[in-house]
Amino acid sequence: GDSVTQMEGPVTLSEEAFLTINCTYTATGYPSLFWYVQYPGEGLQLLLKATKADDKGSNKGFEATYRKETTSFHLEKGSVQVSDSAVYFCALKGNSGYSTLTFGKGTMLLVSP
Amino acid sequence: DTAVSQTPKYLVTQMGNDKSIKCEQNLGHDTMYWYKQDSKKFLKIMFSYNNKELIINETVPNRFSPKSPDKAHLNLHINSLELGDSAVYFCASSQAAGRMSNEKLFFGSGTQLSVL
Repeated sequence: GDSVTQMEGPVTLSEEAFLTINCTYTATGYPSLFWYVQYPGEGLQLLLKATKADDKGSNKGFEATYRKETTSFHLEKGSVQVSDSAVYFCALKGNSGYSTLTFGKGTMLLVSP
Repeated sequence: DTAVSQTPKYLVTQMGNDKSIKCEQNLGHDTMYWYKQDSKKFLKIMFSYNNKELIINETVPNRFSPKSPDKAHLNLHINSLELGDSAVYFCASSQAAGRMSNEKLFFGSGTQLSVL
């Protein structure tokens, strides 16, 4: 079945540092790929998505590129802020029937001033 | 206005009790979901309803029974609560289901259930 593997956290960075959170997936066919973010005490929110190979999703300074050859969708940001502290979830959605989102286990990001 | 709202936000109860969590969305979406998030933040789909019909039912104990009186509401009733049911439960909605969905889920802020 479909699965998503993302790096264990927490990831601890200083403000303005470069961020990478790795995500790889296993799926048949051509899934859509997502990053969701969960701020403390809140539900998840869609951060960005890509629906086909080589697409780049971007939002709020975050980027991720759909790499089919490496089955990866790594999240990057050039300069993190304290307000980026949250849990980040990589997810995929298969393209058959009533498939729903399959989430990775989440990676907590802690940014200190 | 909150797009997806669920109540209560916190629920503390004894083992063996029966409890319900309510969810409402005002986005006009056709599909609603229940997810369970454990203490390690792992998020797992439990149920999905499309236009009041159950379309996804993952391996969940039959003590959990979802009910959708209309497409804007999806409630979760849990019988005979157990310690292992302690988790955060998230309701979510999306515009459609399956291949035609726009794939963006809108989540509620969660219900933290603690079973003592």
